Amino acid sequence: AQKITQTQPGMFVQEKEAVTLDCTYDTSDPSYGLFWYKQPSSGEMIFLIYQGSYDQQNATEGRYSLNFQKARKSANLVISASQLGDSAMYFCAMTEMGEDQFYFGTGTSLTVIP
Amino acid sequence: DGGITQSPKYLFRKEGQNVTLSCEQNLNHDAMYWYRQDPGQGLRLIYYSQIVNDFQKGDIAEGYSVSREKKESFPLTVTSAQKNPTAFYLCASSIQGATNEKLFFGSGTQLSVL
Repeated sequence: AQKITQTQPGMFVQEKEAVTLDCTYDTSDPSYGLFWYKQPSSGEMIFLIYQGSYDQQNATEGRYSLNFQKARKSANLVISASQLGDSAMYFCAMTEMGEDQFYFGTGTSLTVIP
Repeated sequence: DGGITQSPKYLFRKEGQNVTLSCEQNLNHDAMYWYRQDPGQGLRLIYYSQIVNDFQKGDIAEGYSVSREKKESFPLTVTSAQKNPTAFYLCASSIQGATNEKLFFGSGTQLSVL
């Protein structure tokens, strides 16, 4: 089974609007971490936001927030007030206690329209 | 500036040839990773190392080899046994490889077969 599922291969959003990128995960470990990364066309992966499984509140970092719904095993990324520079690939990832690696989803390509 | 340096940015391999991708970090991180990225897929782990002179295979280690003789350096060799080496390769590091630590990435190397 896939550890991380991103069901939106491509998304479009109007500049200044908000957009939600979906991510669901699969784990039986009670201790895990959830991450979102941005990959512009240059190729480098840029860390955006982190949510721990025991965190009570949703994580926020500037215009990024993570909508963490533990019972549904979802960790959607919300980008508010989209900018043209937000156009990129976005990857959801997970780590589990006792595991030494990150599990990445297949990514969502976001295009911001002027 | 602290960071991860990957070189070269583009690399071409002839049939039957081994090639080595360089990854150097000056972040004083213990853990280092190599990922492979194919179009439409997420990142897949090739090898990782959490301490000097020790490394473990990831999900797709066949046809690759690594060394970790220095904390700062984690080169990846793509051997002739890797029959489909064309991909984008990303090197990453984290402080100690713990569950809640984000990965820092290099800018990647695009490997193509001639």
